[in-house]
Amino acid sequence: DVVMTQTPVSLSVSLGGQVSISCRSSQSLVHNNGNTYLSWYLQKPGQSPQLLIYKVSNRFSGISDRFSGSGSGTDFTLKISRVEPDDLGVYYCGQGTQYPYTFGAGTKLELK
Amino acid sequence: QVTLKESGPGILQPSQTLSLTCTFSGFSLSTYGMGVGWIRQPSGKGLEWLANIWWDDDKYYNPSLKNRLTISKDTSNNQAFLKITNVDTADTATYYCARRTTVVAPWGQGVMVTVSS
Repeated sequence: DVVMTQTPVSLSVSLGGQVSISCRSSQSLVHNNGNTYLSWYLQKPGQSPQLLIYKVSNRFSGISDRFSGSGSGTDFTLKISRVEPDDLGVYYCGQGTQYPYTFGAGTKLELK
Repeated sequence: QVTLKESGPGILQPSQTLSLTCTFSGFSLSTYGMGVGWIRQPSGKGLEWLANIWWDDDKYYNPSLKNRLTISKDTSNNQAFLKITNVDTADTATYYCARRTTVVAPWGQGVMVTVSS
């Protein structure tokens, strides 16, 4: 299985600040078709995960441009700028390149 | 608007079979490229992908659950199903279904399942 390693485990941020979350995969996430199926999700307290970013850097419908994804191969980053209260929760990276699909253990974003 | 909603028994005993239903709207599982996936999350823990079913009835199962999983669909009634046999306390979790295309979105609200004697 592809192991997804997220760092840090938790982050404290001030409102209006910027944070970065790292996600590293144990194998390259480049699919045979040339796409890299790395996504980012946010799970707000008491809610189901919601898709933020897909295929490394594409924002899903309705997602603010304060969220940006980057990376390639095995190293990926999610950046959140101008953090708002509604951004708090647990962020997960997930890969859909290789079965079984796997997720990182999560990064909890909290207010400082 | 695409929505999905999971339903299940709530609580069941070890060794029983867990049957889950995902009822969705806003898309059809007979449409090329459409799929539904099942994912679970024990309380306070991370996400585990369980199974996929695609528009053409192709199926994928997470090998970690060996032969305990069966996924199926009822295209006419816009439903997908997941059965897990021989459950034990380790299967206690919130179970989500999600539309699967090139992305996994949206997710349902989840259904909590407790396995307890």
